[in-house]
This record gives sequence, structure tokens and C-alpha cells, in this order.
Amino acid sequence: AQKVTQAQTEISVVEKEDVTLDCVYETRDTTYYLFWYKQPPSGELVFLIRRNSFDEQNEISGRYSWNFQKSTSSFNFTITASQVVDSAVYFCALSEASHTGFQKLVFGTGTRLLVSP
Amino acid sequence: DGGITQSPKYLFRKEGQNVTLSCEQNLNHDAMYWYRQDPGQGLRLIYYSQIVNDFQKGDIAEGYSVSREKKESFPLTVTSAQKNPTAFYLCASSPLRSSTDTQYFGPGTRLTVL
Repeated sequence: AQKVTQAQTEISVVEKEDVTLDCVYETRDTTYYLFWYKQPPSGELVFLIRRNSFDEQNEISGRYSWNFQKSTSSFNFTITASQVVDSAVYFCALSEASHTGFQKLVFGTGTRLLVSP
Repeated sequence: DGGITQSPKYLFRKEGQNVTLSCEQNLNHDAMYWYRQDPGQGLRLIYYSQIVNDFQKGDIAEGYSVSREKKESFPLTVTSAQKNPTAFYLCASSPLRSSTDTQYFGPGTRLTVL
């Protein structure tokens, strides 16, 4: 069975600090997809990134970066120079490949990030 | 603007009553999903639909029902059989072109049973 673990329940940082959110996953599939979503206080989940299991290149988007390591089954998310607007709950998710295109997402329990001024 | 709308944002229900949550999308997505979120937990899949007039149970379908009469709409009914319905409900949609497509989420409905 697939499983996603986000061991950090809540992280508090001061603005401009760097912070890394951990995500460890379990799957027997050789092809799978990993996602990060942000849930601000408004409640809506905002898509941040999708990563294919065949692509282990790290990715950077502005202050956000992702480190995908298949050897440790981890897909960690780093925010550089955090800002108050980064305060949210962040979810890591996993889906297996499907020839129909259908995704069944398995979510972690989320990490609440609090960035104080 | 394209997107997913859910209504109402807040919903209160008395025990024993059925209630229907609305989800509409104008993204022309084939697949639609309903998730439940409880405090401190991740999202759990209730039902999903890949095509009109067809839907499948997710991991926690008991006490819920859905319909998919139109591509744009996927309403969720929380029945009186659902033992603990108070939760945050999120609707999502995605294309079905490939597994690399992303699910996009609506703003959610917070249901409280009084």
C-alpha cells in the first residue's frame, strides 16, 4: 500500500529563516508521482509542484526548492528566506501511474508552517 | 475565469438530516473527486468520477452518496448514516489525459453537525 509520512506536525520560524519540510513516501510502484500542495487559512489547496519518479533532478522556483531522493524515498521542500505569507499547511501527496490518466492521491497528514515577523 | 466552485462555504446540519454539498467546475475536466479533511489529518478520498453517469467509491464512502449527471457538476450528499460528518470537504477535478495531470481543488465547504 502507498503511504506518505510528514513527521513534522508544526514548524515555527522567524521571517527570513530557511525552512525544510520533510516528506517520506512508501510505494511498490516503479512509476509514481509526487506532489506538494499549500493550504492557506482560506482552506483551498494550491498546487505547488509535481515530480515524476523517473526525474530525480532537484527543482527551484523562486524561493521554493524541492529535493527528490529515490534512495531514501524522500521528497523534501525548502523555503528560502521565509515570509509571513508562507504561513500555511503544506501537504505532500503520492499517486501511482495509470494508463487511464486517473490519479488516486494519497496525502500525508500535513505540516503547519508558522512564519512570524 | 476557469475554476472550481463549492457552495456553501459553511453549512450547519441537525443530526439525522441529509445535506448536499455543491461542486461545479468550468475547466472541462473529465475527472472529479470528493475529499474529507479532519483536523490534523490529511485528505481522504470519499468518491470519484471519471465520466458522466459513472462514479466509484473511495476509501471512506460509507454514509455518502454522489451523482454525476453533468460533466461540470459532482454534488455530494452527506446522509444521516454518516456517523461523524463534521469536517471540511474539498472537491477537486483533473483532466484524464495522463497520470501526470494535476488535481485542482475548490475552496471547500465546512460542515458542522449541531
